[in-house]
Amino acid sequence: GDSVTQTEGQVALSEEDFLTIHCNYSASGYPALFWYVQYPGEGPQFLFRASRDKEKGSSRGFEATYDKGTTSFHLRKASVQESDSAVYYCALGDYQGGRALIFGTGTTVSVSP
Amino acid sequence: DAGVTQTPRHEVAEKGQTIILKCEPVSGHNDLFWYRQTKIQGLELLSYFRSKSLMEDGGAFKDRFKAEMLNSSFSTLKIQPTEPKDSAVYLCASSPGQSAETLYFGSGTRLTVL
Repeated sequence: GDSVTQTEGQVALSEEDFLTIHCNYSASGYPALFWYVQYPGEGPQFLFRASRDKEKGSSRGFEATYDKGTTSFHLRKASVQESDSAVYYCALGDYQGGRALIFGTGTTVSVSP
Repeated sequence: DAGVTQTPRHEVAEKGQTIILKCEPVSGHNDLFWYRQTKIQGLELLSYFRSKSLMEDGGAFKDRFKAEMLNSSFSTLKIQPTEPKDSAVYLCASSPGQSAETLYFGSGTRLTVL
């Protein structure tokens, strides 16, 4: 079945560092891809999406580009802040197929001042 | 606007008990989801409803987990009987339904089974 793999379980950074979280997917169709962010004590929040090859999604300084060739949707941010400390989830969706979102296992990002 | 409301925020149960978690989706949303969250597995789908019809359920959770849409604005998740391995955060989410991708999550119920 369809699946999402996030390589990093935990990432520790200092403020102004560059962030990369790797996300690869496996899907039989042509899914939409998403990033969600979860802060302590809250549910995950939608960050952004992309639905076509080479489309870039972005929000709050984060960005990711849909790459069908490498089946990837890596999250990047040029300069992180302490407030970016959170858990980040990559997900894929197949709305046309009536399927719920499939999430990766999440990456915990800790940014120290 | 009210977001997704989940009650209770915390639940402690003895092994073998029956527990019921509650969820009120965003008003007007057609899609409702239940996910289980653990550090190891991340977010796992339990059930997905569209306009109160069950669209999908997580195969691994069928035997002791039952989600229901009692009406368009209220859903429950029953776990019967509970086991210690059920200890996790249970998240409810809703979506407008025009495009299923933007999910609005509640803050979750943290279940501890002793």
